[in-house]
Amino acid sequence: NAGVTQTPKFQVLKTGQSMTLQCAQDMNHNSMYWYRQDPGMGLRLIYYSASEGTTDKGEVPNGYNVSRLNKREFSLRLESAAPSQTSVYFCASSPGHSNQPQHFGDGTRLSIL
Amino acid sequence: DAKTTQPTSMDCAEGRAANLPCNHSTISGNEYVYWYRQIHSQGPQYIIHGLKNNETNEMASLIITEDRKSSTLILPHATLRDTAVYYCIVRVGTNSGYALNFGKGTSLLVTP
Repeated sequence: NAGVTQTPKFQVLKTGQSMTLQCAQDMNHNSMYWYRQDPGMGLRLIYYSASEGTTDKGEVPNGYNVSRLNKREFSLRLESAAPSQTSVYFCASSPGHSNQPQHFGDGTRLSIL
Repeated sequence: DAKTTQPTSMDCAEGRAANLPCNHSTISGNEYVYWYRQIHSQGPQYIIHGLKNNETNEMASLIITEDRKSSTLILPHATLRDTAVYYCIVRVGTNSGYALNFGKGTSLLVTP
């Protein structure tokens, strides 16, 4: 019963490098989300995809791009990593209708030197 | 979304019930109350949600006051593995994607 799977779990990058964080869900959910969590802070929404084929900006989209590859997969790309993007990144999914909750993956811990 | 207020921290003895309060005095009629928790270094875990009726599942019970201005999450028999930060979130249920505002939450420490 995998739920939401994120890869990789850990990554260290140098400033200016690019990277794609992968997320896949096996719950047939329509909506998917990317959040970041900085130390001592709550989660902040970066981008979301309400349904396959659509993406929208969240609270902190600058420096990121996303791709909803298909219904299962939603990737987050850092084109030119900056130290300010050091964070834990969480992917979530939800059915996308009514009041049904979001379910989260275990996160990708990203350090940018 | 309605603002929520939770205590910063709470303690609970193992085996006892943990009662975590949340104040949401400005909640609207179509807003749901969601509870999540985050165990250190893990992703947020959904616990339970409700609109106005009390709810129970295998993890917890949710008690919502009749005026809906506050709620309590009850873990009936807390274990050490329930030590986590618990978040009370009020949100309208919609048909499209939405962000969850996790706020600061309550840090629950379950002690032996």
